[in-house]
Amino acid sequence: GAVVSQHPSRVICKSGTSVKIECRSLDFQATTMFWYRQFPKQSLMLMATSNEGSKATYEQGVEKDKFLINHASLTLSTLTVTSAHPEDSSFYICSVLGRGGNQPQHFGDGTRLSIL
Amino acid sequence: GEDVEQSLFLSVREGDSSVINCTYTDSSSTYLYWYKQEPGAGLQLLTYIFSNMDMKQDQRLTVLLNKKDKHLSLRIADTQTGDSAIYFCAESIYGGATNKLIFGTGTLLAVQP
Repeated sequence: GAVVSQHPSRVICKSGTSVKIECRSLDFQATTMFWYRQFPKQSLMLMATSNEGSKATYEQGVEKDKFLINHASLTLSTLTVTSAHPEDSSFYICSVLGRGGNQPQHFGDGTRLSIL
Repeated sequence: GEDVEQSLFLSVREGDSSVINCTYTDSSSTYLYWYKQEPGAGLQLLTYIFSNMDMKQDQRLTVLLNKKDKHLSLRIADTQTGDSAIYFCAESIYGGATNKLIFGTGTLLAVQP
């Protein structure tokens, strides 16, 4: 399966800071990546679909100006949480859509974001 | 609508079989997946099944799909303490431009030595 690297693994910062999280596909070029958010003891909620070379598709209720997604290359997508507040504290996970039409998604190890 | 449900908790003894159940609502699902999540980590793909299959076996893992009842199960044979984790089922549905995953609520599997 695909190898996905997500960085950083943990961030602690003050309220008002903008935080960038990177998601890299290490072994193949990924045209589609996904960003999820997971609250403690809850399931994953899809935030947006990141498409290389075009604007991301956001799920209903997700503020696109708050969560900026850039997919500038076939191996890198970034999620920037702008002016983060304590309620943005969560576990953010990216995934890469495998080659082919219905290939599984392969996930990064996640980023634990804590806003003080 | 899209809704995927799982029981929240399962406790088994080491060496026993574990069966984790999942129900879904979208009959247009093409693939159904099982992922494993250990504490503080991302998701590891365990196995998946195409919607026209009834069963798939992969070493200790057996997936059963009852499409009529929209019921999916994961059986882990000879469960080990290293299998303790949260298990998510997910269905793949067409989201406009690409397939997207809808995850279940997750089942915490606790394996007692």
